[in-house]
Amino acid sequence: NAGVTQTPKFQVLKTGQSMTLQCAQDMNHEYMSWYRQDPGMGLRLIHYSVGAGITDQGEVPNGYNVSRSTTEDFPLRLLSAAPSQTSVYFCASTYRRGTEAFFGQGTRLTVV
Amino acid sequence: AQKVTQAQTEISVVEKEDVTLDCVYETRDTTYYLFWYKQPPSGELVFLIRRNSFDEQNEISGRYSWNFQKSTSSFNFTITASQVVDSAVYFCALSEPNDYKLSFGAGTTVTVRA
Repeated sequence: NAGVTQTPKFQVLKTGQSMTLQCAQDMNHEYMSWYRQDPGMGLRLIHYSVGAGITDQGEVPNGYNVSRSTTEDFPLRLLSAAPSQTSVYFCASTYRRGTEAFFGQGTRLTVV
Repeated sequence: AQKVTQAQTEISVVEKEDVTLDCVYETRDTTYYLFWYKQPPSGELVFLIRRNSFDEQNEISGRYSWNFQKSTSSFNFTITASQVVDSAVYFCALSEPNDYKLSFGAGTTVTVRA
């Protein structure tokens, strides 16, 4: 069982570069989300999707874009990387409201 | 406003000691869900428990136990007879009924020394 798969695991970017973090789940979950984890702040929601074709902003959406063309995939795009986006990023999927989220392995991103 | 507060930033104990992690939450809903996750040094997030607001029974799973008290809006987590493998960051999280998202606390880092 793959669950939620995130790639890459590590990435170093230069300021101003763009990149896409990939996320795929094989559990047929409608809800997917992206969080970032920063020291002392827990995990904060960036963007989420309640189904294919539907996305919305979370708590910290600036500088990020998402799309959801299929149930399985939910990529996160950094448009123009900034040092403030240095963080660990987690993708998650949830079966329905009130149930636990399944997380990917995380992507450690450093922007220099 | 912070919905989930984990006041303890770090806790250090010696193996076999008990450790209790505090979690206080804030919500206006009568129906809500609470979770605990573990993040070991390897970095992944491991689901530990889910509790809905209508179930105030305490739960025990091996050396782990959870105490849910609606009167004080708390959902505390105790590790009994701690082991080195319990060293991790532990997150408490809240989900409200009209929302899929999880609101996380800042996390408590537990270090268990041999």
